[in-house]
Amino acid sequence: GNSVTQMEGPVTLSEEAFLTINCTYTATGYPSLFWYVQYPGEGLQLLLKATKADDKGSNKGFEATYRKETTSFHLEKGSVQVSDSAVYFCALRGNSQGNLIFGKGTKLSVKP
Amino acid sequence: GAVVSQHPSWVICKSGTSVKIECRSLDFQATTMFWYRQFPKQSLMLMATSNEGSKATYEQGVEKDKFLINHASLTLSTLTVTSAHPEDSSFYICSARPAGTANQPQHFGDGTRLSIL
Repeated sequence: GNSVTQMEGPVTLSEEAFLTINCTYTATGYPSLFWYVQYPGEGLQLLLKATKADDKGSNKGFEATYRKETTSFHLEKGSVQVSDSAVYFCALRGNSQGNLIFGKGTKLSVKP
Repeated sequence: GAVVSQHPSWVICKSGTSVKIECRSLDFQATTMFWYRQFPKQSLMLMATSNEGSKATYEQGVEKDKFLINHASLTLSTLTVTSAHPEDSSFYICSARPAGTANQPQHFGDGTRLSIL
């Protein structure tokens, strides 16, 4: 079945450091891929998405490219800020299904 | 943009109490809504898919009689945790997708933190 694997955290970085959170997936067909962010005490927010191979999703300085050859959708940001501290979830949605399948989440802490 | 409102955001109650959580799509109609549960330090787990006007579809291992779902209108789904016990304490999140937008992301509520004493 479909599944998502993302790097375990927590990840602790200094402000302005480069961020990579790895995400790989297993799926049949051509799923859509998402990154969601959960700030402390809040619900999930969609951060970015990609619906087909080689698509690049981007938002708020974050980027992720849909790589079908490596079944990956790694999240990157060139210079993190303290306000980026949150839990990040990678997710996929298969072609024929409406629900999302999530990774376990990666907690990011950015220190000033 | 599309907004999903979830209420209450936080509830504390005694063991044995039934708790109702509402999920509303404020500016769109949602034929399908999803209910998730988030355990500490773990990811979201889909509990059930709520379909307007019909019975909800529950994931394996989720007790239908324990977690009652009603989706009576295109903008409202409710989750009732019946006779709640401490092990039901968790973070519950709903999501909704606008009708006729199968390829668009779901929109999430802010979640309800349920604490059973």
